[in-house]
Amino acid sequence: DTAVSQTPKYLVTQMGNDKSIKCEQNLGHDTMYWYKQDSKKFLKIMFSYNNKELIINETVPNRFSPKSPDKAHLNLHINSLELGDSAVYFCASSQVYGRDQPQHFGDGTRLSIL
Amino acid sequence: SQELEQSPQSLIVQEGKNLTINCTSSKTLYGLYWYKQKYGEGLIFLMMLQKGGEEKSHEKITAKLDEKKQQSSLHITASQPSHAGIYLCGAAKTQGGSEKLVFGKGTKLTVNP
Repeated sequence: DTAVSQTPKYLVTQMGNDKSIKCEQNLGHDTMYWYKQDSKKFLKIMFSYNNKELIINETVPNRFSPKSPDKAHLNLHINSLELGDSAVYFCASSQVYGRDQPQHFGDGTRLSIL
Repeated sequence: SQELEQSPQSLIVQEGKNLTINCTSSKTLYGLYWYKQKYGEGLIFLMMLQKGGEEKSHEKITAKLDEKKQQSSLHITASQPSHAGIYLCGAAKTQGGSEKLVFGKGTKLTVNP
């Protein structure tokens, strides 16, 4: 059973389009995250939600809008895609919110902008 | 801001050799995490260290956090091709009342059979 699952795994689209990435966790965790990993493999947090409430918004352009319909899901919608959005996006979850909580990651969504 | 420096950036070893990866912080670490990433996959949680001098082992991988809690090392004994991947250290950081995880830039490990 996949603990943190993201769809799609690959996403190829044209500049200017709007796209969504879905994330679901079946671990019963309270906190979910979105990370972006750039071409140099540098991983950086974008958003964090705790029990459906936004906790962290790491100065991400407002073209990126996370939505958490319930605590098991955290989706990422991106408007007006730009070339610089090409990256791997990872969803993660942790049991509760706090510094001593290991995060469990999905396999990533590879977004390529043409 | 807290930055995590990992060294080396990449490492190529022969199967069976031991190796060490280091992660250094400019500030005291409150929760140091080690993850492994394989190509096309997500990050796999390896270990979490919190106390100065703490050491944890899982199979052939041992991670340590120094007494000052500013440096951690990951040691692999008798490396195997299955150990290949990118190893990332992450540290808990408090900013604006929020907790988040910041990562080093990773160490790419290649193990030649």
